[in-house]
Amino acid sequence: EDQVTQSPEALRLQEGESSSLNCSYTVSGLRGLFWYRQDPGKGPEFLFTLYSAGEEKEKERLKATLTKKESFLHITAPKPEDSATYLCAVHPGDYKLSFGAGTTVTVRA
Amino acid sequence: DTGVSQDPRHKITKRGQNVTFRCDPISEHNRLYWYRQTLGQGPEFLTYFQNEAQLEKSRLLSDRFSAERPKGSFSTLEIQRTEQGDSAMYLCASSSNPTNNEQFFGPGTRLTVL
Repeated sequence: EDQVTQSPEALRLQEGESSSLNCSYTVSGLRGLFWYRQDPGKGPEFLFTLYSAGEEKEKERLKATLTKKESFLHITAPKPEDSATYLCAVHPGDYKLSFGAGTTVTVRA
Repeated sequence: DTGVSQDPRHKITKRGQNVTFRCDPISEHNRLYWYRQTLGQGPEFLTYFQNEAQLEKSRLLSDRFSAERPKGSFSTLEIQRTEQGDSAMYLCASSSNPTNNEQFFGPGTRLTVL
């Protein structure tokens, strides 16, 4: 069975304090790993798809990387508007996504 | 706005009542998914449509739940005889690419069963 584990559960950062979120996964035949951002009371917002080990993608202050067993979401010099829950999901090759529980990031000014 | 839309955004009902939610996917997306999300958890898959055909249902989807996508466009999710455990955010997503399966989510419908 596919398993996705995200750590830490919560992360409190000072504005400008860079950090990383971890997503470790167990899946047979990974077809893609996704990162989403979710604000309170809203649906997940698509950020990145990673397909193979060694791949990296960037968007503003966010950079996602992928290895064979885990993915990292690096937040560089975060701002308060980066506060959100970040969700990781795997696509094992069928139709659904299997999500982790998320990491809630709070950035204080 | 050409994103996924859901209606209503919030629904409060009493235990035992029936509720129905609607999802309008991104235009021309032939794949549509329903997920359920409870507080502190990630979304959990409920069911999947390709065009009008419902191709898979999770074991989370009890007999009280039914979903339709009659013309391959919008979809409805009905819950009969609601229970307090049905309280959750119900999310709809759509995609067009079967290879990478990038799914785009709507804003969700928050259901509270009293």
